[in-house]
Amino acid sequence: SQTIHQWPATLVQPVGSPLSLECTVEGTSNPNLYWYRQAAGRGLQLLFYSVGIGQISSEVPQNLSASRPQDRQFILSSKKLLLSDSGFYLCAWSPPWGQENTGELFFGEGSRLTVL
Amino acid sequence: DAKTTQPNSMESNEEEPVHLPCNHSTISGTDYIHWYRQLPSQGPEYVIHGLTSNVNNRMASLAIAEDRKSSTLILHRATLRDAAVYYCTKRGNNAGNMLTFGGGTRLMVKP
Repeated sequence: SQTIHQWPATLVQPVGSPLSLECTVEGTSNPNLYWYRQAAGRGLQLLFYSVGIGQISSEVPQNLSASRPQDRQFILSSKKLLLSDSGFYLCAWSPPWGQENTGELFFGEGSRLTVL
Repeated sequence: DAKTTQPNSMESNEEEPVHLPCNHSTISGTDYIHWYRQLPSQGPEYVIHGLTSNVNNRMASLAIAEDRKSSTLILHRATLRDAAVYYCTKRGNNAGNMLTFGGGTRLMVKP
């Protein structure tokens, strides 16, 4: 069966510090991968998605970046965090386009980032 | 544009049916309608999806308007564990299979 893990689960970082959140998927190959952010009490905002290794599409311009160095690994990074980067970050995967699937997204447990 | 519109919150009594509405007036002919729900401090979980016909599964039913510009998620008998934020989304017809989420409806279930 497929599983998705992301870490760290929580972190507190000072303004201006770097960020690295990691997400890995197991039990599937060539998944579509996604990073979402959820501010306190708000809905989910799509940040990045990837349909393959090295292929990243950005939905929102900001000081965050994403990378996909391996098929089932998705990393969210920042060189200098802002206060507004605080939130709940969620990684998700879906089967690749073309395969029989419902388009369902499977979400990780989330990473709660507080920038002070 | 992938926006959907839902009421911010709804209340229900335990053991009663709940109808959660969603407007998606800009939906295209090939977009699927998806519903997810999110418990506090957890990632969203899939509930149900559909294209044109009404759908039923073990969690809920989905009623889709004939013009597809709106849909209703139906929980037949609300339980306290159904208290969550419910998101109505559209699945874009693209290689990214992206889902764009709106603000969702916070469902409160009273015992």
